[in-house]
Amino acid sequence: DIQMTQSPSSLSASVGDRVTITCRASQGISNSLAWYQQKPGKAPKLLLYAASRLESGVPSRFSGSGSGTDYTLTISSLQPEDFATYYCQQYYSTPPFTFGPGTKVDIK
Amino acid sequence: EVQLVQSGAEVKKPGESLKISCKGSGYSFTSYWIGWVRQMPGKGLEWMGIIYPGDSDTRYSPSFQGQVTISADKSISTAYLQWSSLKASDTAMYYCARHMWGPDYGKLSGFDYWGQGTLVTVSS
Repeated sequence: DIQMTQSPSSLSASVGDRVTITCRASQGISNSLAWYQQKPGKAPKLLLYAASRLESGVPSRFSGSGSGTDYTLTISSLQPEDFATYYCQQYYSTPPFTFGPGTKVDIK
Repeated sequence: EVQLVQSGAEVKKPGESLKISCKGSGYSFTSYWIGWVRQMPGKGLEWMGIIYPGDSDTRYSPSFQGQVTISADKSISTAYLQWSSLKASDTAMYYCARHMWGPDYGKLSGFDYWGQGTLVTVSS
C-alpha cells in the first residue's frame, strides 16, 4: 500500500499569509492526488484533484502542484474561513486510496 | 443536485451488529464508486473500501478487510456499511463519499460528494 505523509502536522498563520502544506507519497503517484478541507463537525470538502485541478466553486487562492512523490497545497492569501484541517489523498492505480494524516491550520 | 444522505447516529453495545446506510440521489447511482471513510474521535481520515453499485464489485483496505462488509442495493440507490460484532474501537464518525471518474478511462479520482456522516458509538 502507498503511505502518505504531510508536513507540517499543524501551523499557525495570520489572515493574509501565504500557506504551503506538503504531502509526500511512499512511491510515485503520477499526480493522482486530491486535497480536502475539513472544518470541525463537517464532512471533508474536495478542493483539488489531479494534483492541480481546482474543483468547481473552490476559490482561486487555493492551488496545487507537484509531481512524482512530492506535492504541495498553497493558499495564496489565507482567509478567516480557511482555518481548518487539510488532507491529501492518493488514488493511484489500485485501492486502498490512502489519506495523509492531515495538517491543521489555525489562527496565530 | 447530487446528494448522499446517511442514516442517523447509532449507540450500540460491544458484540452487537450494525448496518448503516448512504442513499444517493441526483445522479446515476450505478455509474459511480461509493466509498466509506472512518474518522475516529480527534483523528484523521481512513479509507475503508469502495463499492461499484452497478455490479457490486467491492474493494477493501487491508486494515478493514474482514472487519466490515460493504454492500449496495441499486434498486433503492443505497450503499451500506455493516459490522457483525462491534467493538469499542469502532466508535467513530463514518462518511460515505462518491468517487469522481478521472480523465483516463476506468480510472478513479477524488471523492467529490460526501454524506453528512453517521456517528457510531460503541459502549457497554
